Amino acid sequence: QQQVKQSPQSLIVQKGGISIINCAYENTAFDYFPWYQQFPGKGPALLIAIRPDVSEKKEGRFTISFNKSAKQFSLHIMDSQPGDSATYFCAASGTDSWGKLQFGAGTQVVVTP
Amino acid sequence: DVKVTQSSRYLVKRTGEKVFLECVQDMDHENMFWYRQDPGLGLRLIYFSYDVKMKEKGDIPEGYSVSREKKERFSLILESASTNQTSMYLCASRPGGITETQYFGPGTRLLVL
Repeated sequence: QQQVKQSPQSLIVQKGGISIINCAYENTAFDYFPWYQQFPGKGPALLIAIRPDVSEKKEGRFTISFNKSAKQFSLHIMDSQPGDSATYFCAASGTDSWGKLQFGAGTQVVVTP
Repeated sequence: DVKVTQSSRYLVKRTGEKVFLECVQDMDHENMFWYRQDPGLGLRLIYFSYDVKMKEKGDIPEGYSVSREKKERFSLILESASTNQTSMYLCASRPGGITETQYFGPGTRLLVL
């Protein structure tokens, strides 16, 4: 049973558009929420992460929005580029969990030229 | 740069064989993890290790065991491979302490016939 639910499973966006991926969790002990990006043939790599003391974090064209009361967080990719085409995973962990991450199912993003 | 290497990119084994997947990290990280990645299920934790000779079960340990005799090396063992263990296997390492980022290897795609 997946502790972090991610949607959509896939999305296609035009170059310059906004990609939005959503995740929801139930475990209130989670206090660290990273997003990982995976290109074909590669392992996932950390893209951006947030802790619940802030509602938004921005790094370049990537923004995490966090809603603690709703237990939801989302990744926004602004001005999407073909090089952003990848699979994105949200994840969550708690401080008492040895850094074990619970991953969402993943979203395959395709950015068309 | 952190480097996590996995011994094989592709493996084909027969049902009932004993299979060893090796992972090596070069950054003196305390924690190491084995995940399997399946479409629609994301990454699921099989086992992790927080120190040499120490191991903990993850969410799906059945049919697997692990070994960590040296800090830099973490091995995943399939005692008797079955077709439902056909998957992508990803190894990751993490420094430990308050650093949360996990660094992934490129993965081993295992096919069990």
